[in-house]
Amino acid sequence: DGGITQSPKYLFRKEGQNVTLSCEQNLNHDAMYWYRQDPGQGLRLIYYSQIVNDFQKGDIAEGYSVSREKKESFPLTVTSAQKNPTAFYLCASSIGLRRGQETQYFGPGTRLLVL
Amino acid sequence: AQSVSQHNHHVILSEAASLELGCNYSYGGTVNLFWYVQYPGQHLQLLLKYFSGDPLVKGIKGFEAEFIKSKFSFNLRKPSVQWSDTAEYFCAVNAGSGGGADGLTFGKGTHLIIQP
Repeated sequence: DGGITQSPKYLFRKEGQNVTLSCEQNLNHDAMYWYRQDPGQGLRLIYYSQIVNDFQKGDIAEGYSVSREKKESFPLTVTSAQKNPTAFYLCASSIGLRRGQETQYFGPGTRLLVL
Repeated sequence: AQSVSQHNHHVILSEAASLELGCNYSYGGTVNLFWYVQYPGQHLQLLLKYFSGDPLVKGIKGFEAEFIKSKFSFNLRKPSVQWSDTAEYFCAVNAGSGGGADGLTFGKGTHLIIQP
């Protein structure tokens, strides 16, 4: 099956702890994205990457970090500096050939809860 | 930076009623426009998109949207809704190719409930 997988489905974080959310795609897409979804707030862009070893901050990057060492993987780390991490995190990808004019395909999401 | 406003946060309709969900964006340049849908328990998926050309675009499941540049609007319509249309609907925008960030800016969403 082709698609985007995110793991885990649920993740619990203790105060002061860093946690990493996984995102993998086998669509051969160059571009990958991370969004955060809060109830009644829609989705907000955290980070995006148009190519391996390169990434840019989105609208709410503070308290998050990413890496893009492989084309198919774009993990997101929620650091202890993120004061309100409880949210639903969505990963997306797109082909990357025509920047902006592409459909973004979304994964199933990871729900992060703070203990 | 661009922003997106969806006017209705919750909409309740009966089956066979007509639907129109409002979406307005603010951005002075060329934009690409999208409507995404999130059915209960499912991935966010694309309903339709507008890049250029005919301002009336048709999407999946009988949905359509009209881009009105002078009004900065991209309203979603369906002439007759079904119970299976119950979902959350998101309007999204990004700057035209070559300009601005390439991630999408989303509205806050409209939760649509169709009563049988």
